[in-house]
Order: sequence, then structure tokens, then C-alpha cells
Amino acid sequence: SQQGEEDPQALSIQEGENATMNCSYKTSINNLQWYRQNSGRGLVHLILIRSNEREKHSGRLRVTLDTSKKSSSLLITASRAADTASYFCATDAGYGNKLVFGAGTILRVKS
Amino acid sequence: DAGVIQSPRHEVTEMGQEVTLRCKPISGHNSLFWYRQTMMRGLELLIYFNNNVPIDDSGMPEDRFSAKMPNASFSTLKIQPSEPRDSAVYFCASSLMDGVLDEQYFGPGTRLTVT
Repeated sequence: SQQGEEDPQALSIQEGENATMNCSYKTSINNLQWYRQNSGRGLVHLILIRSNEREKHSGRLRVTLDTSKKSSSLLITASRAADTASYFCATDAGYGNKLVFGAGTILRVKS
Repeated sequence: DAGVIQSPRHEVTEMGQEVTLRCKPISGHNSLFWYRQTMMRGLELLIYFNNNVPIDDSGMPEDRFSAKMPNASFSTLKIQPSEPRDSAVYFCASSLMDGVLDEQYFGPGTRLTVT
């Protein structure tokens, strides 16, 4: 079974708008990561947040982590057409040495 | 660095044939992961190696699947015999793991079609 579950499954927004994707997980974690996958490509690492962190920024990306609710969110500000992709959260599910990926959110940014 | 290299990029084969997928991880990385991605099941971890040693192969679907890592710069995933339900995109990823899981670098994938 998948550890992370993303919400929504699909999101369509206009260029310039913000996009928020959520991820919930079931077990304790050491860290949570977000990845992007463009159509026909491999996954690309975006950001990693550790269990003792609550918020992290990287450029137009903002990730939050609430371990009490076992959830994380990824915010992309001022979206661009090039942000169109699938976004996955992944946790180590407490294993510490392997990742378990969610089903992903498909983001479409219309220009 | 060229990143993780996978070959072939596309493979079409008939049921019953042997398929070998290849991966060259990023130089200096000590962990290598094989994933399978399908619409129905998403991204699944098949097996991973640390310092060329298989650590967890619990995701390998059945005995038809096998993986090797003879050295730090090369790994193979073999399916013998292949079946139509093996059709998927297979990704290899590598990472530098120093006791803590860090980001993984994915290859472009091999799209396998078994007819």
C-alpha cells in the first residue's frame, strides 16, 4: 500500500496563480520529500523536509510539514506553464533507507 | 556528471522472452534503486542496493524478476520470462546515503512493452 496520498488527484490553474498540493501519510517518518515528473521523464527531486522541521522554502516552492496530522503541503507560487507536471510526495515511512511514493497530483498550468 | 543512465529507453518484446534493463548510477553514489511505474499501481520500489549489496528485494513481484549489481557503476534488472503484465516504465535511481536517506536521482526510465 502507498504511504503517501496526494490531494487533489488533479489540479488545473491559470498561469500566475498559486498551486497547493497536499500529502497525507500513515506512519512515523524521518523525512518527507517532494518530486516532480514531467511527462515521459524521470522524477526530479524538489525539496526534502525533515521531521523536526515545520516549513521549508526553495525559490517559488514552500513546503510545510505537520507531523501531528501526518500531512504535508507543497505550494507553488506564481505558477508557470512549465510547472505542468505530476507531483509526488515520498516518505521513508520510518524505514530510514527507502522511499514510499504517493499516487501523485497532476498539475496543469494554463497559459 | 551525466546523471543516471538507463538503457534501452524503449523495449518491445514478445511474451516469454528475456528482458534485461541496464542502469549506470551517478559516480560516487552508494545506493541504487529500481522502481516500476504503472497507471494502476503508481511507482513501486522493486529492489535497492547499498554498496552493491541487495538490501531489500521485498518489492520484486516474483521469481521471474532478478537484479544484480556487479560493481558500483552498473546494475541490471532481468525479467525471464516476460509477461504482458510486466509492461511498465522501469526507473533506476541512485543516491548517496550516509545513514540518512537523502534525495534520489532518477534516470529517464525504460518503457517496456510486452506483447
